[in-house]
Amino acid sequence: KQEVTQIPAALSVPEGENLVLNCSFTDSAIYNLQWFRQDPGKGLTSLLLIQSSQREQTSGRLNASLDKSSGRSTLYIAASQPGDSATYLCAVPDRGSTLGRLYFGRGTQLTVWP
Amino acid sequence: DGGITQSPKYLFRKEGQNVTLSCEQNLNHDAMYWYRQDPGQGLRLIYYSQIVNDFQKGDIAEGYSVSREKKESFPLTVTSAQKNPTAFYLCASRRSGQVNSLLNTEAFFGQGTRLTVV
Repeated sequence: KQEVTQIPAALSVPEGENLVLNCSFTDSAIYNLQWFRQDPGKGLTSLLLIQSSQREQTSGRLNASLDKSSGRSTLYIAASQPGDSATYLCAVPDRGSTLGRLYFGRGTQLTVWP
Repeated sequence: DGGITQSPKYLFRKEGQNVTLSCEQNLNHDAMYWYRQDPGQGLRLIYYSQIVNDFQKGDIAEGYSVSREKKESFPLTVTSAQKNPTAFYLCASRRSGQVNSLLNTEAFFGQGTRLTVV
């Protein structure tokens, strides 16, 4: 069974800092990895999907990298803003009997203060 | 706009009552999923469906039931057998065609339903 871990669990930074959120997974034979954002009381918003054949994926100030061999992904947020405050989740799909279901980390709760 | 719609946003259940959470998608996705989210825990899979008229139990299916009569709809019923139903429920979907293509597609989520026992 795939296990996904996110470090740190919480992060509080001043506006303007560049951030790195970490995600690790135990089974390196993944098809892809997806990063989500969740605002309090809301659903999950997909930020980036990085395929196993890719090393990086970028969207605006967000950059996700993937190192399958080491079982790690990082989400880099450039020039953080208060509006980036949310919980960030990473997830990988199951390759087994429950095809397509996602295994999630517990998330990193980010607070960016002005 | 294409997306996943969950309703209601808030739901209150009395002891011994069954309640149904709605999930509708207009993305033409084949696969749909229900997850439960509790504070301090990761998302856990309740049920999933890869095609119409077929669904499978996830990790925590006891006390829940689903149906998949239409491609667009995947309602979740929380029965009286579910002893601790207070949680945030999330519905998701993803496109699938050939079996392996399901793994390469992006998952999309609804805005969630918060269920509280009163």
